[in-house]
Amino acid sequence: GAGVSQTPSNKVTEKGKYVELRCDPISGHTALYWYRQSLGQGPEFLIYFQGTGAADDSGLPNDRFFAVRPEGSVSTLKIQRTERGDSAVYLCASSQGAANEQFFGPGTRLTVL
Amino acid sequence: DQQVKQNSPSLSVQEGRISILNCDYTNSMFDYFLWYKKYPAEGPTFLISISSIKDKNEDGRFTVFLNKSAKHLSLHIVPSQPGDSAVYFCAASAQDTGFQKLVFGTGTRLLVSP
Repeated sequence: GAGVSQTPSNKVTEKGKYVELRCDPISGHTALYWYRQSLGQGPEFLIYFQGTGAADDSGLPNDRFFAVRPEGSVSTLKIQRTERGDSAVYLCASSQGAANEQFFGPGTRLTVL
Repeated sequence: DQQVKQNSPSLSVQEGRISILNCDYTNSMFDYFLWYKKYPAEGPTFLISISSIKDKNEDGRFTVFLNKSAKHLSLHIVPSQPGDSAVYFCAASAQDTGFQKLVFGTGTRLLVSP
C-alpha cells in the first residue's frame, strides 16, 4: 500500500507570507505527527494528533504555527508570517496507534527568502 | 539542550566489516529507543528499537545494545554493505508522553565502501 505522502515536495516563499503543508498518512493510521528538520539537525517534534484532536502540541515553536486534522486523516500544517528561520524540511509521520512505529513521509522542503 | 547526542557526524567502514554507531542520552525518563535510517530526499525509515527493560535486541545484521547506567546505546551492523550508506538517527521516547514524542539525535552519516 501507499506510504505517507506530503505535498508539495518543495515550497519557496517570501518572508511574511502564509504557507500550508499537507500530509496524507497511511490509510487506517490513527496517529499523525509533524516534525521539523533543520540543516545539520535531527527531526524535531512539533505536534501529534490522535484522531482529529491535537494530543500534544508542545513542540510548536510559536503561535505562527498551527496544524489541523479535521477528519482524522489528512493533516495540514499552517505557518503564518513566515520567517527565514522557518526554512527547514517538514516531516510528517503516521502510526497505527499509540506506541507503534512511526512511518515517515519524504518531507516538504520549505525555503523562506 | 540536546537530550540525545550522536557525537560522530560521520563514519567510514569497508564492506564486510562491522559498523558501530553510538548514541548518548541525558534524560533518565527515556525508556524506549529507536534507530532510523535516512537516504537523501526520503523520510527516515525505522530500523530497530529497544525497550529499557532489555539490553540487547537483534534483527538480522542489525543489533542494538543499551547500557542504561551509562545512558548509552549503540547500533552494530555486521557485515556492513554499501547499501547501508545513509544517515542514521538515534531517537528516544518516554512512557510519560505515551511514547509518541520522539527526540532525535543529530545523526551519523555512514559510508560503506566496496
